[in-house]
Amino acid sequence: SQTIHQWPATLVQPVGSPLSLECTVEGTSNPNLYWYRQAAGRGLQLLFYSVGIGQISSEVPQNLSASRPQDRQFILSSKKLLLSDSGFYLCAWESGKSSYNEQFFGPGTRLTVL
Amino acid sequence: GQNIDQPTEMTATEGAIVQINCTYQTSGFNGLFWYQQHAGEAPTFLSYNVLDGLEEKGRFSSFLSRSKGYSYLLLKELQMKDSASYLCAVRSNTGGFKTIFGAGTRLFVKA
Repeated sequence: SQTIHQWPATLVQPVGSPLSLECTVEGTSNPNLYWYRQAAGRGLQLLFYSVGIGQISSEVPQNLSASRPQDRQFILSSKKLLLSDSGFYLCAWESGKSSYNEQFFGPGTRLTVL
Repeated sequence: GQNIDQPTEMTATEGAIVQINCTYQTSGFNGLFWYQQHAGEAPTFLSYNVLDGLEEKGRFSSFLSRSKGYSYLLLKELQMKDSASYLCAVRSNTGGFKTIFGAGTRLFVKA
């Protein structure tokens, strides 16, 4: 069966510090991968998605970046965090082979920037 | 561009039926999803519609009209545990396949 992992679960960082959030998927190959951010009480904002190694599409211009160094690894980074980067970060995967594209979400990382 | 609208909040009574509406505008429509999200948790999949009509799955049903850009999620025999946010999401194949989520509808089920 497939599983998706995210870490850390919670993170408190000062403004201006760097960020690295990691997401890994097990039990599937060549998945499509997504990073979303959810502000408190709000919907999911699509940040990045990837259909393969090294292929990243950015949806929202911001100070975040994403990388996919391996097929089942997706990393969200920032060189300098802003207060507005606080939120609940969710990684998700979907099959890259099926036309029925249900997304499966990781447990999320709750980031607080102070 | 893409736009998804759903009510911000709804309240219903335990045992009742509630309908959560979603309207959308998108190019390259490739399916509509409903997800459930409890506070502080990740969303979980509820339903998928790509053709017009009603899809039933236990207490939950989802309807789609592509010509109207409209969907609804119907929850029957409401239980307290159904209190959650319900996210409408639309998949588009324009500029690469991607799924865009609405802001969600927070449902409060009262006794």
